[in-house]
Amino acid sequence: NAGVTQTPKFQVLKTGQSMTLQCAQDMNHEYMSWYRQDPGMGLRLIHYSVGAGITDQGEVPNGYNVSRSTTEDFPLRLLSAAPSQTSVYFCASSYSTHYNSPLHFGNGTRLTVT
Amino acid sequence: RKEVEQDPGPFNVPEGATVAFNCTYSNSASQSFFWYRQDCRKEPKLLMSVYSSGNEDGRFTAQLNRASQYISLLIRDSKLSDSATYLCVVNPGTSGGSYIPTFGRGTSLIVHP
Repeated sequence: NAGVTQTPKFQVLKTGQSMTLQCAQDMNHEYMSWYRQDPGMGLRLIHYSVGAGITDQGEVPNGYNVSRSTTEDFPLRLLSAAPSQTSVYFCASSYSTHYNSPLHFGNGTRLTVT
Repeated sequence: RKEVEQDPGPFNVPEGATVAFNCTYSNSASQSFFWYRQDCRKEPKLLMSVYSSGNEDGRFTAQLNRASQYISLLIRDSKLSDSATYLCVVNPGTSGGSYIPTFGRGTSLIVHP
């Protein structure tokens, strides 16, 4: 199993550009989520999904869209990049929404918006 | 009050020392608890789950105190390789609560020779 795979690892965008961060898992996990991590802020939840076709907003959803058309994939779209979106982005998944399921993280995407 | 709170540290200890971190949580209905380790510029990785009766994994011991609403992580015989940030994660209960795990901001540990 590859686990949780994120692409790209690094990305530089200009203000106003759009892009999609990819996340895929091959563990048949029900729950998938996106976090951003900034210095001193810890991990902040952007969006999450409890199954194909179901998504919901987390703590900091503005400026981001998600979709979950399959169990495996959960892409994160930046609609119009802003410097405030410079961050490290982690995708994470867990087997179910049952409270005893730990999260598995991808390697992260380091995004810089100039 | 934040839902999950941790002392950010850093905890600066010599090799071989014993060090302990606490993590407090505000939701008394919380049902499950985890410790994650995050190395610099890497993804968080599960270190261990925390069980009601406490549990041990080698040099690491995790404990839960429901009455005072905190969990702890004890590291014995610290190694240089233990230097990392330790994240506390709390999953709320299912009775009227969200199932979204809540992360603390992490405690930084530096083990020096």
